[in-house]
Amino acid sequence: GEDVEQSLFLSVREGDSSVINCTYTDSSSTYLYWYKQEPGAGLQLLTYIFSNMDMKQDQRLTVLLNKKDKHLSLRIADTQTGDSAIYFCAESPHTDKLIFGTGTRLQVFP
Amino acid sequence: EAQVTQNPRYLITVTGKKLTVTCSQNMNHEYMSWYRQDPGLGLRQIYYSMNVEVTDKGDVPEGYKVSRKEKRNFPLILESPSPNQTSLYFCASSFRGLNTEAFFGQGTRLTVV
Repeated sequence: GEDVEQSLFLSVREGDSSVINCTYTDSSSTYLYWYKQEPGAGLQLLTYIFSNMDMKQDQRLTVLLNKKDKHLSLRIADTQTGDSAIYFCAESPHTDKLIFGTGTRLQVFP
Repeated sequence: EAQVTQNPRYLITVTGKKLTVTCSQNMNHEYMSWYRQDPGLGLRQIYYSMNVEVTDKGDVPEGYKVSRKEKRNFPLILESPSPNQTSLYFCASSFRGLNTEAFFGQGTRLTVV
């Protein structure tokens, strides 16, 4: 079945690194995504990774993919208060369809 | 500006009173969908549409209807709302394809009393 799981909360100090984890079930997903939801707003695409890659880096963001364990992580370096949001992992087992995780609420404190 | 616009942003209604949440996109996207967001459950897809006059059920379609008469609009209809439909609703659109970015509206917070 299709299921994407994330821990619900993460709290980090400003300047530290944040690591948000996700497990998914459908190994046929060609792309895996991270979306960010700021308070009172819709979701915005943060980054994505192709399933034949192990890692993707984009400025402060690093995405790691362990396809064998179906584990995806998002690392945010030098976390800032503006990074406080809900982060959703999503897989795409079929063309057009996105399966979202439960979301991880990241709280950054000074 | 490329955007997905939902209306209203907030709505409080009573059980059984029909309502429509509108969604409009200006990016000429073929694919549109509706999600509901509930605490601890993430986003669940209600209905989706691959193009004009083509709609299909998502994972939680019970109690909802949609229509896609024009490419830009994809309204969500609750014929007889019930309290378990109290939720935060999002409309999204994208081009069709394996890896295309989904653009989301600002959300509609619906409370059914």
